[in-house]
Amino acid sequence: AQTVTQSQPEMSVQEAETVTLSCTYDTSESDYYLFWYKQPPSRQMILVIRQEAYKQQNATENRFSVNFQKAAKSFSLKISDSQLGDAAMYFCAYRRSYGKLTFGQGTILTVHP
Amino acid sequence: KAGVTQTPRYLIKTRGQQVTLSCSPISGHRSVSWYQQTPGQGLQFLFEYFSETQRNKGNFPGRFSGRQFSNSRSEMNVSTLELGDSALYLCASSFSGPGELFFGEGSRLTVL
Repeated sequence: AQTVTQSQPEMSVQEAETVTLSCTYDTSESDYYLFWYKQPPSRQMILVIRQEAYKQQNATENRFSVNFQKAAKSFSLKISDSQLGDAAMYFCAYRRSYGKLTFGQGTILTVHP
Repeated sequence: KAGVTQTPRYLIKTRGQQVTLSCSPISGHRSVSWYQQTPGQGLQFLFEYFSETQRNKGNFPGRFSGRQFSNSRSEMNVSTLELGDSALYLCASSFSGPGELFFGEGSRLTVL
């Protein structure tokens, strides 16, 4: 069974600085998708970034980028120029081509002004 | 384009009662899945529906059931509620193919 592990229950960062959230996963599949979702206190889960396993290039979305290491089964999220609005719970998630999302336990990110 | 809509947002029930939650997916999305979120267990997959058929099911007891209608709207039902069913229930929709899921705001169920 696929598993996703986020080893950092909580992280904090100063506004305008950079923070990296870690995620590792376990799968025997070769074709899959990885995601980072953000869940602010308002609760709605919002997609931050996605990565297709077949793509070697790391995904980037504005201030958010990933470091995807397929052989190591590692998928970390880097947030640059952190903003107060980035404060939220962040979930790493795995999905085969079809089917359910498997989530990590989440990392609470606090942004200090 | 309207997002995923879940109703009700909050509800309180007592043990032994049953509850029905509703989810309207994004227009054009035919796949709807449900997740339970609790502080202790995190996010757990309940089931997925596609074209009115259950395509996948998580490891939950038979008290948890769902269905999907021809317009892709979905409902989930929990019968004989237990205290441990208190949770945030999230609905997500997607196109039929691979890729990301889009989530609603959730229904917060409290069982007393």
